[in-house]
Amino acid sequence: GDSVTQMEGPVTLSEEAFLTINCTYTATGYPSLFWYVQYPGEGLQLLLKATKADDKGSNKGFEATYRKETTSFHLEKGSVQVSDSAVYFCALSDFGAAGNKLTFGGGTRVLVKP
Amino acid sequence: DSGVTQTPKHLITATGQRVTLRCSPRSGDLSVYWYQQSLDQGLQFLIQYYNGEERAKGNILERFSAQQFPDLHSELNLSSLELGDSALYFCASSAGGGNQPQHFGDGTRLSIL
Repeated sequence: GDSVTQMEGPVTLSEEAFLTINCTYTATGYPSLFWYVQYPGEGLQLLLKATKADDKGSNKGFEATYRKETTSFHLEKGSVQVSDSAVYFCALSDFGAAGNKLTFGGGTRVLVKP
Repeated sequence: DSGVTQTPKHLITATGQRVTLRCSPRSGDLSVYWYQQSLDQGLQFLIQYYNGEERAKGNILERFSAQQFPDLHSELNLSSLELGDSALYFCASSAGGGNQPQHFGDGTRLSIL
């Protein structure tokens, strides 16, 4: 079945540091890939998405490129802020006869210190 | 604001009881999904409805059931509750299938005492 593996946290960074969160996936078809962010006490917010190989999703300074050859979708941000402290989830949606549920990774907690 | 509304925000009840969680999808969205978030299992897909019909089933227990009504709102019914059912339950909606992103509500936190 489909699965998503992402690096375990917590990841602790200083403000303006570079952030990378690794994500790899296993899927039987051609999935769409997503990053969601969850701030404390809130629901999941879509951060960015990519629907086919070599697509780059970007939003709020975050980027991720769909790499089919390495089955990866790593999240990067060049200069983090304290407000980026949250839990980040990598997910895939492999649309087919069984609907288009999201399969999530375990989440990576990021803490940015001033 | 995602446009997905879940009620109630918090629910505290006892073992053996039954509860109903409600979800109103974003305007125009036909698909509704339910997910469970717990510390040990992470985020798990429970069930999907599309325009009133069940579309996909995930790791949903037999004690749990859901439905989507003609106005497209959905309810998740949890019965014979056990301590292990304590979790955050999210509803999400999307315009349809395929590559449409899912938009999540703020969740219902269920605590079983």
